[in-house]
Amino acid sequence: DGGITQSPKYLFRKEGQNVTLSCEQNLNHDAMYWYRQDPGQGLRLIYYSQIVNDFQKGDIAEGYSVSREKKESFPLTVTSAQKNPTAFYLCASKGVATNEKLFFGSGTQLSVL
Amino acid sequence: QQQVKQSPQSLIVQKGGISIINCAYENTAFDYFPWYQQFPGKGPALLIAIRPDVSEKKEGRFTISFNKSAKQFSLHIMDSQPGDSATYFCAASLIYTGNQFYFGTGTSLTVIP
Repeated sequence: DGGITQSPKYLFRKEGQNVTLSCEQNLNHDAMYWYRQDPGQGLRLIYYSQIVNDFQKGDIAEGYSVSREKKESFPLTVTSAQKNPTAFYLCASKGVATNEKLFFGSGTQLSVL
Repeated sequence: QQQVKQSPQSLIVQKGGISIINCAYENTAFDYFPWYQQFPGKGPALLIAIRPDVSEKKEGRFTISFNKSAKQFSLHIMDSQPGDSATYFCAASLIYTGNQFYFGTGTSLTVIP
């Protein structure tokens, strides 16, 4: 089955710790995205990448980092600089051919211990 | 600055009734307006979308009405069912000049049996 796989589903972070959220897609999509979802605030863009080895900051990139070494993978690291990391994190992808439709993974819930 | 404003924040509808969710946007260059449906603990999934060259699009019980001059669009769910209970997000994007999607803050819909 084609789709986007996010792992883990639940993640806990200790103070001062960096954690990495995984996102893998087998849809052969060029563009990948990371969104943060907080109650009542909708989806806010953290980072996006339109091509391998290239990515751009979104609206709330501070305290986060990404890499795009492979087309199918776009991991997100929540660094210790992100002081309020508790949220639901969504990865998404979009192809050039399917120019409009954004496909989402099932999300990772990150909580602070 | 919120590029897309969505209302209401929550909505309760009787089974068989009509659910209406409204969105307004600022950027007249937006050329793609999707609606996403999200169930708890899951990623959003595309429900229906419209381009600004048409005023209405219908797919089953779901209809988008689009008013270009007012910069508003709305989702109508006819004959609402308990299975429609979910959070709905409107969004807007620039298809050919960018890859960013701007999301509304979401509407939590509850359909009472």
